[in-house]
Amino acid sequence: QVQLQQSGPGLVKPSETLSLTCTVSGGSVSSYYWNWIRQPPGKGLEWIGFVYYSGGTLYNPSLKSRVTMSVDTSKNQFSLNLNSVTATDTAMYYCAKWDGTVNAFDIWGRGTMVTVSS
Amino acid sequence: EVVLTQSPDTLSLSPGEKATLSCRASQSIINSHLVWYQQKPGQAPRLLIYGASSRAIGIPDRFSGSGSGTDFTLTISRVETEDFAVYYCQHYDGSPLTFGGGTKVEIK
Repeated sequence: QVQLQQSGPGLVKPSETLSLTCTVSGGSVSSYYWNWIRQPPGKGLEWIGFVYYSGGTLYNPSLKSRVTMSVDTSKNQFSLNLNSVTATDTAMYYCAKWDGTVNAFDIWGRGTMVTVSS
Repeated sequence: EVVLTQSPDTLSLSPGEKATLSCRASQSIINSHLVWYQQKPGQAPRLLIYGASSRAIGIPDRFSGSGSGTDFTLTISRVETEDFAVYYCQHYDGSPLTFGGGTKVEIK
């Protein structure tokens, strides 16, 4: 069973870059579409984008100018970078696996709460 | 961008009652590309229903999904204590993928 383990800082200063990593266990990153989704405190879910093992990406147009996602197949990991952060980027960030068989996010990481504050 | 509107915002029910949650899309969603998730406090969302009406592995049969086009429904036939949570719908009919605002099912 695939599991996702998230890592990265919980506090980022305004104007700096938010960087998170998700490590895949029980399976290979060289399959599926790997996603990032965020949820501001007390609010709903926002899809940030996905990265495919080949390096192909698709980002939400609302964040596209600030987002970069990548895959490291040697470490079985994928990553999110969000630059020029502001307080509105404060949220719980989840990594999630998109399964093309059921066409849904079937496996989620536990989430990383990221606060943007000086 | 497809906007998903969920209603009601909050549903107050007693255990054993039936829950009916609505998800309305701003444009027709082809091929029933609609998913439902359950989220409990402090947890990540969990997949419940995919393809509008197919239950995910391990999901009890008291959960069912229906609908097509712009109107979709999640039904819990008899709500159990463990079902009190927030429920989100999500489409995958093109980019960006979007979620509804959620319906909270709370204990009456």
